Amino acid sequence: AQSVTQLGSHVSVSEGALVLLRCNYSSSVPPYLFWYVQYPNQGLQLLLKYTTGATLVKGINGFEAEFKKSETSFHLTKPSAHMSDAAEYFCAVSGGTSGSRLTFGEGTQLTVNP
Amino acid sequence: NAGVTQTPKFQVLKTGQSMTLQCAQDMNHNSMYWYRQDPGMGLRLIYYSASEGTTDKGEVPNGYNVSRLNKREFSLRLESAAPSQTSVYFCASLLLTGTGVQPQHFGDGTRLSIL
Repeated sequence: AQSVTQLGSHVSVSEGALVLLRCNYSSSVPPYLFWYVQYPNQGLQLLLKYTTGATLVKGINGFEAEFKKSETSFHLTKPSAHMSDAAEYFCAVSGGTSGSRLTFGEGTQLTVNP
Repeated sequence: NAGVTQTPKFQVLKTGQSMTLQCAQDMNHNSMYWYRQDPGMGLRLIYYSASEGTTDKGEVPNGYNVSRLNKREFSLRLESAAPSQTSVYFCASLLLTGTGVQPQHFGDGTRLSIL
């Protein structure tokens, strides 16, 4: 069984400020972890993924995430927010079981203020 | 690059009506998925098809049926629509290789309202 908890359904930052979106997971097997972004009226787009190897993962648009097994966390960060980062962000976990089923968190809506 | 294509993009139904949501991918992926997205609940898996010829229930299958028509197409059917099925439906696909886990690719969604 696996689950994902995203802390904070809404996060607001100023343009140029650090973005930190929190994700904690639970998995009975070594997890594969993903962050997706959803812009209004669109589907989900992959930001980055962790499978094995290096625990600091770099993604698109300047985002990165660090896998911390001891804390069961996979927080998403970006050093300097841009107005175009405003969107909903989803953390997801897969246990690598049949069909690569994903379990999603509830999502975090990021607002970037000018 | 079409990727994952969903039709229709919008639909309004009356309670009790039936309809089929269509999904097609052109990436030669073998696994396909149907999710529903509701406010504050993330995406929940309805059904999936790990490979052509197989389908399995996900987290919320009640009230839905699926058909994996061929490798490209995976349809979702509501036999008797209920207001609780008002949602945004997403189709996704991936290439399941047996070595590692690949990310899923998503369509743009079907916005379904049931009155």
